[in-house]
Amino acid sequence: GAGVSQSPRYKVAKRGQDVALRCDPISGHVSLFWYQQALGQGPEFLTYFQNEAQLDKSGLPSDRFFAERPEGSVSTLKIQRTQQEDSAVYLCASSPLTPGQGGNQPQHFGDGTRLSIL
Amino acid sequence: AQSVTQLGSHVSVSEGALVLLRCNYSSSVPPYLFWYVQYPNQGLQLLLKYTTGATLVKGINGFEAEFKKSETSFHLTKPSAHMSDAAEYFCAVPGGSNYKLTFGKGTLLTVNP
Repeated sequence: GAGVSQSPRYKVAKRGQDVALRCDPISGHVSLFWYQQALGQGPEFLTYFQNEAQLDKSGLPSDRFFAERPEGSVSTLKIQRTQQEDSAVYLCASSPLTPGQGGNQPQHFGDGTRLSIL
Repeated sequence: AQSVTQLGSHVSVSEGALVLLRCNYSSSVPPYLFWYVQYPNQGLQLLLKYTTGATLVKGINGFEAEFKKSETSFHLTKPSAHMSDAAEYFCAVPGGSNYKLTFGKGTLLTVNP
């Protein structure tokens, strides 16, 4: 496909379970971002990858959150021992260039994964 | 760190009326600013972007935004609202070494027939 693809679109889990959210960025995009969007709020930055390197994870809310992009394409966001406050939409975005090549390059967003923790 | 503030969490207009969605940035002039639109159960779609030196920026779907340094504003407008414009709109500024986006809280636009 031409856009950023995220799966699953919806995920329901019980408190304490582990979940894994997948992002397929646009082919060839170097930069990949994860954001968390709580109900009624704007997205908030979680973490950033340049190819396979995780260069910024300052937005991850706790050590229960872990992200990887081992081959520089598909990325997975994992949440361990989920809590109710983890309920949100998780958005993935990709961009073709590294920041040094053009900070004005817009990020292309997937449709998100809506995570509900019961 | 750069930030943006969106005034008005909910704006309601009649079809055909002017749309005005407000965004103010923090005091230092950002090199870039973006407006994104989010339709229900979808991701964010870029409407338009500002780059240094521009004042009036035209985007998709008839939207435009004017950068006003004196007012630290980057308000989004559209002369005539369509029903299909009903969505949530976010102003965003890139920051940090990786240009991660900082978003406003969003403005929900309702268009009444």
